[in-house]
Amino acid sequence: EAQVTQNPRYLITVTGKKLTVTCSQNMNHEYMSWYRQDPGLGLRQIYYSMNVEVTDKGDVPEGYKVSRKEKRNFPLILESPSPNQTSLYFCASRQGGGAIVNEQFFGPGTRLTVL
Amino acid sequence: AQSVTQLGSHVSVSEGALVLLRCNYSSSVPPYLFWYVQYPNQGLQLLLKYTSAATLVKGINGFEAEFKKSETSFHLTKPSAHMSDAAEYFCAVSSSGYSTLTFGKGTMLLVSP
Repeated sequence: EAQVTQNPRYLITVTGKKLTVTCSQNMNHEYMSWYRQDPGLGLRQIYYSMNVEVTDKGDVPEGYKVSRKEKRNFPLILESPSPNQTSLYFCASRQGGGAIVNEQFFGPGTRLTVL
Repeated sequence: AQSVTQLGSHVSVSEGALVLLRCNYSSSVPPYLFWYVQYPNQGLQLLLKYTSAATLVKGINGFEAEFKKSETSFHLTKPSAHMSDAAEYFCAVSSSGYSTLTFGKGTMLLVSP
């Protein structure tokens, strides 16, 4: 089944404790992206990657890191999480790095709480 | 710059009534426009998209949207609401020169019996 998977689905952590949220897709998509969803603010893009070893900042990149060493994986790293990073996170992928017309496929989401 | 405005954070309809969710966009170049739906505790899935072909776009689950350039709008409609349509709906825009999708803030559709 074609899908985007994220792990963990739920995470409660404390301020300053480094964490990684994994994202993997099995559709051989070039483009991958991370979003955060907050009530009343919709989805805001954190980082995106047009292909392996190519990443770029989205609208809200502060406090986050990403890497794209393999085509299928795009982990999101919070090196020193803070309470304002409590949010619902979505990973997405689409075919074609620059093919903005193509549908994005979303993972199920990771709900992160930072105490 | 590209942006999307969704009018109304919540819309309530009765089952069987017309659904109208409003979306206005801003783009300096011809846009691609999308509607996504998010059911409770799930990720987003594509309802329909406009890619500069027909201005009236039909999507899944009986939804459709009309691109009106003069009004910079892409409103989503469905003739008759079902209880299963209750979800949050997001309008999004992407345009040449931008490699990213910009989402609106979402509209929660509530359907009452």
